Amino acid sequence: GENVEQHPSTLSVQEGDSAVIKCTYSDSASNYFPWYKQELGKGPQLIIDIRSNVGEKKDQRIAVTLNKTAKHFSLHITETQPEDSAVYFCAGTSGTYKYIFGTGTRLKVLA
Amino acid sequence: ETGVTQTPRHLVMGMTNKKSLKCEQHLGHNAMYWYKQSAKKPLELMFVYNFKEQTENNSVPSRFSPECPNSSHLFLHLHTLQPEDSALYLCASSQEGMTSGLSTDTQYFGPGTRLTVL
Repeated sequence: GENVEQHPSTLSVQEGDSAVIKCTYSDSASNYFPWYKQELGKGPQLIIDIRSNVGEKKDQRIAVTLNKTAKHFSLHITETQPEDSAVYFCAGTSGTYKYIFGTGTRLKVLA
Repeated sequence: ETGVTQTPRHLVMGMTNKKSLKCEQHLGHNAMYWYKQSAKKPLELMFVYNFKEQTENNSVPSRFSPECPNSSHLFLHLHTLQPEDSALYLCASSQEGMTSGLSTDTQYFGPGTRLTVL
């Protein structure tokens, strides 16, 4: 079946450094790729998304890049802060209504 | 606040109990979803409703029974669960309404119900 692979599973960075999380997908028809942040005790919250007709999107310290040929997309967080510590999930669309999620990356920003 | 609420936030039940999870969305969306989130596993889609009609049942055991009385409310009825059903159950909604093609509508999640089956 279709799947989304996400790496790394855990990531520790020093405050102020950048963090990069990468995902690859298998469904060549996927055309929408959201990223979610999940803090302890909360549901996933959308932080940024990208559609297949765009190669890069940026929102303040967060950016996402998409390479449709290689079927991979990445989340970039610059100038990390302790409040960025959370679990991050990527997803890709597969069929109607369906998201296929990655397994998550636990990001820890060290003060 | 995402506009999606879930109750209860925590639930402990025995294997012979019957309980229900409730989800309500205040976003005017047409599609609602149930997901299961277990440790070290990707979010698993369980059910999808679009305009109150079930459009997806991802091979979920019959001990989970969804109900969608209107576009704003979604329930998950639970009976004779197993300990391996213990997980975080997440509800989501999206604008949706389309009947074909790929979905590009953002899904908004509730805070989840932490379920423990003894």
